[in-house]
Amino acid sequence: GQQLNQSPQSMFIQEGEDVSMNCTSSSIFNTWLWYKQDPGEGPVLLIALYKAGELTSNGRLTAQFGITRKDSFLNISASIPSDVGIYFCAGQGYSGAGSYQLTFGKGTKLSVIP
Amino acid sequence: DAMVIQNPRYQVTQFGKPVTLSCSQTLNHNVMYWYQQKSSQAPKLLFHYYDKDFNNEADTPDNFQSRRPNTSFCFLDIRSPGLGDAAMYLCATSRDVGLDEQYFGPGTRLTVT
Repeated sequence: GQQLNQSPQSMFIQEGEDVSMNCTSSSIFNTWLWYKQDPGEGPVLLIALYKAGELTSNGRLTAQFGITRKDSFLNISASIPSDVGIYFCAGQGYSGAGSYQLTFGKGTKLSVIP
Repeated sequence: DAMVIQNPRYQVTQFGKPVTLSCSQTLNHNVMYWYQQKSSQAPKLLFHYYDKDFNNEADTPDNFQSRRPNTSFCFLDIRSPGLGDAAMYLCATSRDVGLDEQYFGPGTRLTVT
């Protein structure tokens, strides 16, 4: 099946620093989604990407859909304490027999030191 | 605000005692999904409904069933919960299958005693 490699697995940064995380795959995806999940809550959609090469921003967040359609990155600028959480990438692709599948990365756990 | 609602947020059940989790949505989306998420893991898709069409994932145990009586509501039934079924259960919706964003509810944390 389709698999995503998300890195880093975890990171500790100082408040105010910029953050970068990425996802790569051997499979092609048609859509990339980035989610943030706080403890005990459901994932919240941050950014959705639909076209290869697309660069999209949402406040301090910027994400790009790789030109090969096999990767994506998420950047967070000027991190603040409420950025703490687990960030998941998810790629949506055709899985055969007329069905599509959303494949999740394993998540990046972000800790921000005030 | 349009949203995905899950009740209850926390559910405790006994080993082997059937339990039902519920999800409702005000987004009027065609597709509703149920995911299982265990600690420190990514969500794992159990099944989804496209309108009234039920689509089960190949590795979803028979112990898990679902019902969608109308567009707004979807239920997850666990017929005989085992200790290994303790997890966060997430409901999600999307406008269509394929390329659309999925929106998640806040989840129900299930504990099995």
